Formats: sequence, structure tokens, C-alpha cells
Amino acid sequence: EVQLVESGGGLVQPGGSLRLSCAASGFTFSNYGMNWVRQTPGKGLEWVSIISGSGGTKFYADSVKGRFTISRDNSGNTLYLQMNSLGAEDTALYYCARQGPGSGWYFDYWGQGTLVTVSS
Amino acid sequence: DIQMTQSPSTLSASVGDRVTITCRASQSISSWLAWYQQKPGKAPKVLIYKASTLESGVPSRFSGSGSGTEFTLTISSLQPDDFATYYCQHYHSSSTFGQGTKVEIK
Repeated sequence: EVQLVESGGGLVQPGGSLRLSCAASGFTFSNYGMNWVRQTPGKGLEWVSIISGSGGTKFYADSVKGRFTISRDNSGNTLYLQMNSLGAEDTALYYCARQGPGSGWYFDYWGQGTLVTVSS
Repeated sequence: DIQMTQSPSTLSASVGDRVTITCRASQSISSWLAWYQQKPGKAPKVLIYKASTLESGVPSRFSGSGSGTEFTLTISSLQPDDFATYYCQHYHSSSTFGQGTKVEIK
């Protein structure tokens, strides 16, 4: 059974940093691209970043480019999101999501999410 | 950036109704479109990808169609478990979601 479990969310001050983790199990982790997607009541769902199975290719949404870094540890089956220079607009529920088989960035499995709140 | 616009924002329907949700892209996205269902407190669940391919395990009452800039998600006979919010997503070298359509009980 595919499982994705996020952790690392919490309350952080504006300008601060946070690292999210996503522990994956139930599939060959290195064979799949992985994503971070966030959700807020106001802005809805927003794709944040994707990393290829090998970790060699990464893309980011314009809203986080230069501030967020996606990475993965294939030996430990874990996905990461390093978030720096956080602002109120980054407050959201952050999901990790597996890229569906084949081409294209649709997401076939999602975690339960970890909440990030940016506030003083 | 490609913008995705869903309509309607809210839809009131009864069990057994045929329901159609539309998603329009601001420019052509070929067939790079997925549909998701989300229930309160849960993560989204993929229903359809590549505009019309049904994800494994998804009931056949769900179907998707369209290409280019206009797409539809159809539920042929609405079931009690289908009351939820539905999102479209364009994907291919970037990704954007629609704002969602809430299907509520009439």
C-alpha cells in the first residue's frame, strides 16, 4: 500500500525557515517523480515544486522560486522541502504527492498534509 | 502562466442527477488535464488524467472529455458519496489548478 506521511510543519515567524519531510513507503521511491502541493482556503490548490526520480531535475512555481528547495533521499525514501524567507502568503497545508506513471505531472497519491503557519 | 477557470463554482444536485463541470484553460494544453475529488479534511483524489483516462478504481460513472482549452467532467448518475469539491489541473512543464466546484445536495 502506497503511503506518504508529511511532517515538519508548524508556526514560524515571517522571514524564518522550515524544512518539511515526506516519508514514502509501499512503492519503489526512486522510480517516481515527487511533488509538493499546498492548499489554502483563499487561494485553493497550488503546485509548489517537482523533483524527478533521480533527483536531477527540479522545477518550482514562480511564487517560491529562489526561496524553496526540493530534494530527496532515495536511500531513505524521503522527500524534503526546505523553505526560506517565509511570508504570510506561504501559510498553507502542504501535501507531498507522487507523480502519476507516464508523462505529465498529475498526482496519483497524496499524503495527509502538514500545516505551515507563518505569523509573528 | 496558464490560468484554469472552472464553472460553476457551486452546483446543487440530487442523487441520480447527471452533473457536468467545465474547466477552461487560458491557452491550449492539449490533453494535459486531470480531475480530482476532495472531501473535507482529506487530500484530493485523482479521478481522471490525460483529459479522459479513468484512474484505476474510480467508478465508471465518472468521465472526462475535451482537449485544447475546454474540458468537462461528467458524473452520469450522482451518488451520495459524490458530494464533494472537484478540481481540474493542467499539467505539463508546469501546473495550475482550477478554483474548484463544490457539488452540494439540492
